[in-house]
Amino acid sequence: DAMVIQNPRYQVTQFGKPVTLSCSQTLNHNVMYWYQQKSSQAPKLLFHYYDKDFNNEADTPDNFQSRRPNTSFCFLDIRSPGLGDAAMYLCATSRPQGIGEKLFFGSGTQLSVL
Amino acid sequence: AQKVTQAQTEISVVEKEDVTLDCVYETRDTTYYLFWYKQPPSGELVFLIRRNSFDEQNEISGRYSWNFQKSTSSFNFTITASQVVDSAVYFCALSGENTGFQKLVFGTGTRLLVSP
Repeated sequence: DAMVIQNPRYQVTQFGKPVTLSCSQTLNHNVMYWYQQKSSQAPKLLFHYYDKDFNNEADTPDNFQSRRPNTSFCFLDIRSPGLGDAAMYLCATSRPQGIGEKLFFGSGTQLSVL
Repeated sequence: AQKVTQAQTEISVVEKEDVTLDCVYETRDTTYYLFWYKQPPSGELVFLIRRNSFDEQNEISGRYSWNFQKSTSSFNFTITASQVVDSAVYFCALSGENTGFQKLVFGTGTRLLVSP
């Protein structure tokens, strides 16, 4: 049973055209994360939510925004995608137990920018 | 600064061979956790193991084993009698008390190809 679900699996958008990626979870976890993974690179944390508290990484571009309307859902909005934003976007969840907590990941959305 | 280095970009083995994936880390934190995640072709990262900085006991789980050595800042992962289903990218990751809440610093991954 899928616990962290990302839709769509593949997303194609045009340069500069806003795009939204979605993530839902059935784990009832307090914390949700968005990671960006470019080809053959390590996943890089963009931001995370602890309940409704939004925490942005210092080097996350302003072009990236996020919304979390409730515990189950979280969205990643890219306002004006550039060619450099083509990547796999991974959503993850965890309990808020501290630095040793394991993350549960979705299968990711592969974003292409034309 | 936190850093994780996986020097092996890609490893190819034949089924039933043993294979060790190397991970070296840097941190100034006293309290930290090390993780291994597996990323199969389907894309999702799957948690394999975590170790905290106060627990250097090595662990074996089926065909998997982990060797944590603080003296060399290494947390290596061995697969015994590899199988085709082990083919994936394996990431080593670090989370420390000063990294920020739940922020995992990943290595660049090692792609393991197991051929029949």
